[in-house]
Amino acid sequence: AQKITQTQPGMFVQEKEAVTLDCTYDTSDPSYGLFWYKQPSSGEMIFLIYQGSYDQQNATEGRYSLNFQKARKSANLVISASQLGDSAMYFCAMRGVSGGGADGLTFGKGTHLIIQP
Amino acid sequence: DTGVSQDPRHKITKRGQNVTFRCDPISEHNRLYWYRQTLGQGPEFLTYFQNEAQLEKSRLLSDRFSAERPKGSFSTLEIQRTEQGDSAMYLCATLREPPYNEQFFGPGTRLTVL
Repeated sequence: AQKITQTQPGMFVQEKEAVTLDCTYDTSDPSYGLFWYKQPSSGEMIFLIYQGSYDQQNATEGRYSLNFQKARKSANLVISASQLGDSAMYFCAMRGVSGGGADGLTFGKGTHLIIQP
Repeated sequence: DTGVSQDPRHKITKRGQNVTFRCDPISEHNRLYWYRQTLGQGPEFLTYFQNEAQLEKSRLLSDRFSAERPKGSFSTLEIQRTEQGDSAMYLCATLREPPYNEQFFGPGTRLTVL
């Protein structure tokens, strides 16, 4: 079974500061993918970044980067130069690429990020 | 608009009634997923299709739930004899075949069972 743990229910960050959202995972799959999604108050899930378990480099997408530490089973999201529009729920998720079980994503409970001016 | 669409966006029903939701995927996406999200939680996987074949169902999908994807295009999720515990946001997501990984989500259907 796969499990995602996000230990920060909420975070307050000053605008323009960098923020790190924590995510740890547990899986028995030898190959898997890790995702971060943003969910604003409007409700839609917006894909931010993806990291494959065998990728040598940490993933980056604009202001988003994923700090992947395989041995620690962590996949923290780093947002540089935060903006007011970054205020939202953030979900870490994973998908087992090999093995049996559902092909769907397993999500954590999320972190509510609030950017303060 | 070429994104994933869902209909209706909101549904209020009385306990015991049947409801049906529709998801229209991005046209070249072969895989389609249904998730349920309750307040304060992350989405939970319900089921998924590869083209018209339903390949996986979660234990969350009780026998009151049924999903179809005729002809491998749009999908419907039906809930029979709704219960108050079914109140949630129902999300649809679609995915192209590997090597693509990103699931694109629709706006969701918010169900309220009175």
